[in-house]
Amino acid sequence: DIQMTQSPSTLSASVGDRVTITCRASQSISRWLAWYQQKPGKAPRLLIYKASNLEGGVSSRFSGSGSETEFTLTISSLQPEDFATYYCQQYNSYPLTFGPGTKVAIK
Amino acid sequence: QVQMVQSGAEVKRPGASVKLSCKTSGYSFTSFVIHWLRQAPGQRPEWMGWHNPELGSTYYSYQLRGRVAITVDTSAAEAFVELNSLTSDDTGIYFCARERGGLFDHWGQGSLVTVSS
Repeated sequence: DIQMTQSPSTLSASVGDRVTITCRASQSISRWLAWYQQKPGKAPRLLIYKASNLEGGVSSRFSGSGSETEFTLTISSLQPEDFATYYCQQYNSYPLTFGPGTKVAIK
Repeated sequence: QVQMVQSGAEVKRPGASVKLSCKTSGYSFTSFVIHWLRQAPGQRPEWMGWHNPELGSTYYSYQLRGRVAITVDTSAAEAFVELNSLTSDDTGIYFCARERGGLFDHWGQGSLVTVSS
């Protein structure tokens, strides 16, 4: 199985801050990586696919980069609605696996 | 618009079974593989398996194989997941999701399953 890790596990930031979250895969997954946002009591929402492609309807302040084993999600200017938990997911091979999540909290 | 509406919360005793439903609308049901995932409290989502409504094929997580079954009613555009021999480790929120190229572009709202004696 491909293991996914994320850092940090929690980050505190202010509105307007630039935020970067890192996701690492235990082996190369090319660019088969997605990022999701999840708010309490809700299902995850797809933000980014194939490492850097913005899902339709998602704000352009979200961006993704990376390949092989290291990936980043950047929020260029944090907005109040962005406080949530973010998960990466690899879809290179089964079983599909998620990272442990990064909670973005208000400083 | 795509909608995936799941059944309500369930409380089960250890050793029991649970069957959840996911009613879809707004897209061609047979054109997309449907997955089930679950999320224990405070944990990451865990993939459980998929069903291809067009081919009638299924594939399950190795860890759940033998305990899980995903079925569909194509005429009703509805998917189901049944999990047997429940333990407290099966407590969590269960999601159905539509697959697009290996990722999940639409999700149900989730169904809470609580396993407790």
